[in-house]
Amino acid sequence: DAGITQSPRHKVTETGTPVTLRCHQTENHRYMYWYRQDPGHGLRLIHYSYGVKDTDKGEVSDGYSVSRSKTEDFLLTLESATSSQTSVYFCAISDPSLLAGAGAGELFFGEGSRLTVL
Amino acid sequence: AQKVTQAQTEISVVEKEDVTLDCVYETRDTTYYLFWYKQPPSGELVFLIRRNSFDEQNEISGRYSWNFQKSTSSFNFTITASQVVDSAVYFCALSEAQAAGNKLTFGGGTRVLVKP
Repeated sequence: DAGITQSPRHKVTETGTPVTLRCHQTENHRYMYWYRQDPGHGLRLIHYSYGVKDTDKGEVSDGYSVSRSKTEDFLLTLESATSSQTSVYFCAISDPSLLAGAGAGELFFGEGSRLTVL
Repeated sequence: AQKVTQAQTEISVVEKEDVTLDCVYETRDTTYYLFWYKQPPSGELVFLIRRNSFDEQNEISGRYSWNFQKSTSSFNFTITASQVVDSAVYFCALSEAQAAGNKLTFGGGTRVLVKP
C-alpha cells in the first residue's frame, strides 16, 4: 500500500470556523491531489500540486486553499467552513509514468477524512 | 472539458450472476487514459485497471474483464460469477495524457450489491 496518511480522519466543526486537513506521503511522489466525494458526484478535484510550492485549482476550488511546503505534505484549508463543505475528503498521490507521460500513472488514495460542518 | 458518465447508480444481483457496469466518456484529446477504481464498504479507493486510448484490446483479470470501445467512447466493466465481496461502489475515471499531473475526472459511481 502507498504510504499516505490523512489527518484528522474525522472532524466535526461549526460554520465559519477554519479547518485544515493534512496529507502526508512517504512515497516521494511528485503529484498530490485533494478530492471531495459526495453522493451522486463521484470524486471531484479541489486542488492539486505538481511540486513544492506549485499548486493549481481543480474543478471545485472555491472556498478552499492549499499549500505544499515540502514534498511529503499537502495541506487543504477551509478558511471559513460552510455546511456545503460537509464531505469526505481524499488525498491522492501519483508519479508520472516514465514511458507515457504525466497522465498515465494511477492515483493512490489515502483513507479519507470525513468532515461535518454544522 | 472531459466528462465521465456512469448511468447506473445501483445494481443489485444475486451471487454468481454476472454484472456489467457501463462507463461512457467524453474528451477532445486523442490520447487519454481510462481507469476503474473500487470502493468497498470500508471506504478506501482501490485501483483496478488503467487503459490507454491506443490499446483497445479487452482485458481479463480473474473474474474481472474490461471492454474498451473507442468508437462508442465506452469502457465497460464486467464481473463474472459475482461474489458478496464484490459489493462496492465502482468508479470509472478519465485523464488526459498531456495534462500537468494526472488529474482524473470521475464518474458518479455505480453501487453494486451482491446478495448471497
